[in-house]
Amino acid sequence: GAVVSQHPSRVICKSGTSVKIECRSLDFQATTMFWYRQFPKQSLMLMATSNEGSKATYEQGVEKDKFLINHASLTLSTLTVTSAHPEDSSFYICSAFNGYTDTQYFGPGTRLTVL
Amino acid sequence: DAKTTQPTSMDCAEGRAANLPCNHSTISGNEYVYWYRQIHSQGPQYIIHGLKNNETNEMASLIITEDRKSSTLILPHATLRDTAVYYCIVRVDQNQGGKLIFGQGTELSVKP
Repeated sequence: GAVVSQHPSRVICKSGTSVKIECRSLDFQATTMFWYRQFPKQSLMLMATSNEGSKATYEQGVEKDKFLINHASLTLSTLTVTSAHPEDSSFYICSAFNGYTDTQYFGPGTRLTVL
Repeated sequence: DAKTTQPTSMDCAEGRAANLPCNHSTISGNEYVYWYRQIHSQGPQYIIHGLKNNETNEMASLIITEDRKSSTLILPHATLRDTAVYYCIVRVDQNQGGKLIFGQGTELSVKP
């Protein structure tokens, strides 16, 4: 089990709107999923840890009211960017932790552009 | 969290072995070393991980020094498709759910 999908792969929205990104583990169950953000020419930055059935844990400096995370099932976590602004434009990547293989597997990423 | 140090960039000739070093001198006894790579505009791809022993899979080999303060990822026969940014990450204890903190990585260029 190592396949993680994200939807959509690319989204363009107007400033002030909200955008939801889905992350699914397709062939394994994941009690823990993670959300990262990556700006051009930079490394991945961990935003939050998403635990199934409980509240997400956010990294320092990440606004929990702006980046809403829901992990309602063992195969799905969602990230909602609320009231998006141009500075939120980035590459958002999720990962899912497979406890059986002791490994995190990453999705293909979602390119968000806020106009 | 243990920090890692990697060269910013490396070149490798196609067909030759690519040896990517990583220093993690502050690693603790229960911390694993993970390697991922990221091809431009894609999500990171898992390569290999280890704790103490050397590991090998269909993609690569991981050599960890006896004191665990450094490791080397070996791609035995590099191809042009191996051009990517390679990340060496020390993962904290599994009780934290496998949390990974990415550094800047090594940009590997495989040349014909």
